[in-house]
Amino acid sequence: EVQLLESGGHFIHPGESLRLSCSASGFTFAANAMTWVRQAPGKGLEWVSSITGSGDDTYYADSVRGRFTISRDNSRSTLYLQMNSLRAGDTAVYYCAKNRCIGCNHFDSWGQGTVVTVSS
Amino acid sequence: EIVVTQSPATLSVSPGETATLSCRTSQSVRIHLSWYQQKPGQAPRLLIYGASSRATGVPARFSGSGSGTEFTLTITSLQSEDFAVYYCQQSGDWPLTFGGGTKVEI
Repeated sequence: EVQLLESGGHFIHPGESLRLSCSASGFTFAANAMTWVRQAPGKGLEWVSSITGSGDDTYYADSVRGRFTISRDNSRSTLYLQMNSLRAGDTAVYYCAKNRCIGCNHFDSWGQGTVVTVSS
Repeated sequence: EIVVTQSPATLSVSPGETATLSCRTSQSVRIHLSWYQQKPGQAPRLLIYGASSRATGVPARFSGSGSGTEFTLTITSLQSEDFAVYYCQQSGDWPLTFGGGTKVEI
């Protein structure tokens, strides 16, 4: 059974940094691209960033490019999201998600989410 | 950026009826369109990918259709557990984008 467990969400002040982690199990982690999707309170889903299985290629939403960095440690089956220069608009539940197949950019497994609150 | 527009924002239906949800993209995404279901307090669940392929374990009452810029999710014989918010997502081009969602309510 695929399991994705996010951690690292916190209450944080504007301008500060935070690193989210997503521990994966139940599938061959290195074979799958992985993605972060966020959801602001009461709002819809917003794609944040994706990374290929090897980690060689990364993709970012314009809203986070230059501030967020996605990475992965395939030896630890763990996905990361380093978030710098956080803003109030980054407040959201952050989900990690598994891309369904090689070359797919839709997501067949999701974690339960971790909450990031950015406020002064 | 490809803009994804869902309609209606809210759909009121009765159990046993059929719900038809629409998703439109601002440019062609071929068949690179997926649908997700989200219930309160839960993570999204993949229902449909490739515009019309059901994900593993998804009941046959869920079906997707369309290509290019116009897509439809149809839910027949609505069950109580189907009342939720539904999102479509395009993967035809970067950045990936989601629609604003359709809430299916009783």
